[in-house]
Amino acid sequence: NAGVTQTPKFQVLKTGQSMTLQCAQDMNHNSMYWYRQDPGMGLRLIYYSASEGTTDKGEVPNGYNVSRLNKREFSLRLESAAPSQTSVYFCASRRTSGTQETQYFGPGTRLLVL
Amino acid sequence: DQQVKQNSPSLSVQEGRISILNCDYTNSMFDYFLWYKKYPAEGPTFLISISSIKDKNEDGRFTVFLNKSAKHLSLHIVPSQPGDSAVYFCAASSYNQGGKLIFGQGTELSVKP
Repeated sequence: NAGVTQTPKFQVLKTGQSMTLQCAQDMNHNSMYWYRQDPGMGLRLIYYSASEGTTDKGEVPNGYNVSRLNKREFSLRLESAAPSQTSVYFCASRRTSGTQETQYFGPGTRLLVL
Repeated sequence: DQQVKQNSPSLSVQEGRISILNCDYTNSMFDYFLWYKKYPAEGPTFLISISSIKDKNEDGRFTVFLNKSAKHLSLHIVPSQPGDSAVYFCAASSYNQGGKLIFGQGTELSVKP
């Protein structure tokens, strides 16, 4: 049981290049999320998927697209990277149990855009 | 506008003493609160949570207190251990908002031996 996995761990891009961040979870969770974390700030939600086949914008969606490929996988795409997208990106999946809920996070992808 | 705030960027505590981390929120629609712990180069890990129908939740050395009238929650760690040194984030959500979490900025806790 690997939990939430993310690839790659680290990436350097030039301005204007594109890339896709991959995320997968093996906990059979319906909901998945993409966050970014910048220095001195908490995590901010980029996009989320409440269930397979649905996606919705979060707080900071501009410059990103997502695909919920199946129940396990949720990818984040940068079509034309900008230096402002230099950040650490975390994927999460959500477990609900009665009135309790928890989000489990992956190890993160560090992205540097030059 | 920051809906969840952690006003102390850092906190230093002696081993064995109590650590108190604070968090304030502005949105009265939040009805579920969580604390996460984060080590460098790792993802956040869930620590403890509390529903708005409660004012206290305990799990071992960790206790979360919720004061709804003041829109304030705190995490108590007793006794503090050097392994507790990490960044702690509080987060808030509303049940009818798809589980979206709003995070505070984080507090870096340093527990000194």
